[in-house]
Amino acid sequence: AQSVSQHNHHVILSEAASLELGCNYSYGGTVNLFWYVQYPGQHLQLLLKYFSGDPLVKGIKGFEAEFIKSKFSFNLRKPSVQWSDTAEYFCAVNLWEGARTTDKLIFGTGTRLQVFP
Amino acid sequence: DGGITQSPKYLFRKEGQNVTLSCEQNLNHDAMYWYRQDPGQGLRLIYYSQIVNDFQKGDIAEGYSVSREKKESFPLTVTSAQKNPTAFYLCASSIPQGTNYGYTFGSGTRLTVV
Repeated sequence: AQSVSQHNHHVILSEAASLELGCNYSYGGTVNLFWYVQYPGQHLQLLLKYFSGDPLVKGIKGFEAEFIKSKFSFNLRKPSVQWSDTAEYFCAVNLWEGARTTDKLIFGTGTRLQVFP
Repeated sequence: DGGITQSPKYLFRKEGQNVTLSCEQNLNHDAMYWYRQDPGQGLRLIYYSQIVNDFQKGDIAEGYSVSREKKESFPLTVTSAQKNPTAFYLCASSIPQGTNYGYTFGSGTRLTVV
């Protein structure tokens, strides 16, 4: 079955450190890729998404992600984290089957990020 | 403002009881989804519906049921057959394929079996 792997389960950083969260998926066909963030006590919201074109995607709050097709990866990066980035981050993939997508997202297990001042 | 409303925010259920979680959206989205979130397991799909009066099982549908009688509403019933119902339940909706495709999530319902 298709799956999404997030190998970093819990990441602890100090403010101003650089961040990279890993995301790998298992599917040989075309995909749409997403990163969602869940701040404490808040609902999930979209950080960024990749459908096609430039594999380097920029999102909100200074986040970016790079799609590397050969590695089946879509890692999330931020050059300098802030205390307010403390949250849980979810990678998700939407699969194309034939001429259309499956219209449902497969999520990874999430990465909990804690940023200390 | 358009969005998804899930109610209640917290729900307590006795073992052996059925309970229904509400999800309403005013985004005019065709597709709606129910996910279950457990620590360390991410979000797992329970049921989804792409059109009124039609729905499909997700990866963990056993012990759950849904209905989609109106475009705006997609209630989830957690039945007594669900062996481990204590979890955080998230409802989402989306427009069909296209460059604007993506989910909008509700704020969730935390169900606890006592």
